[in-house]
Amino acid sequence: DTAVSQTPKYLVTQMGNDKSIKCEQNLGHDTMYWYKQDSKKFLKIMFSYNNKELIINETVPNRFSPKSPDKAHLNLHINSLELGDSAVYFCASSQEVAGSYEQYFGPGTRLTVT
Amino acid sequence: AQSVTQPDIHITVSEGASLELRCNYSYGATPYLFWYVQSPGQGLQLLLKYFSGDTLVQGIKGFEAEFKRSQSSFNLRKPSVHWSDAAEYFCVVGGTSYGKLTFGQGTILTVHP
Repeated sequence: DTAVSQTPKYLVTQMGNDKSIKCEQNLGHDTMYWYKQDSKKFLKIMFSYNNKELIINETVPNRFSPKSPDKAHLNLHINSLELGDSAVYFCASSQEVAGSYEQYFGPGTRLTVT
Repeated sequence: AQSVTQPDIHITVSEGASLELRCNYSYGATPYLFWYVQSPGQGLQLLLKYFSGDTLVQGIKGFEAEFKRSQSSFNLRKPSVHWSDAAEYFCVVGGTSYGKLTFGQGTILTVHP
């Protein structure tokens, strides 16, 4: 059973298009995240939702909009895609354990904007 | 603000040799520390974590890490490296702010036969 799944795994699209990446977790976790990994492999958090409520929103362009229809799903919609959006996007989920949040990551979605 | 530094961008070892990957962190209180591994084209897998208690923590695949508060370090070790350990390793610090993690820049491990 896949704990955190993402679709699609690869996404190639042209500048200016709008695209979505879906994430689902079957771990029963309350908190979900989106991370961006750039070409230098640096991972940075973008968003975090706890029980469908946005709790972390880093400095991300407004073109990126997360949506959480329920606590098992956190989708990422990107408008007007730009070349600089090319990256690997990781979804993660966690549950508080002794005050900390151990995160489980999905396999990633490699987005290429041409 | 929390931060993580992994001084070594790339390390090469021979199979069977011992390994130590360095990690230094900056955090205002007692941090929560993790090591994740990313194999080529794969997602991130948690190797081990430190929350409190014993400063030497054991993880999966024979890895261990030692938390040293005085040195603000959390180095990852393995006594004998296998070829399958070749991957990129990330040291991560987190707090209680709903799991906001800060990743180091990663260390690429190459294993020679």
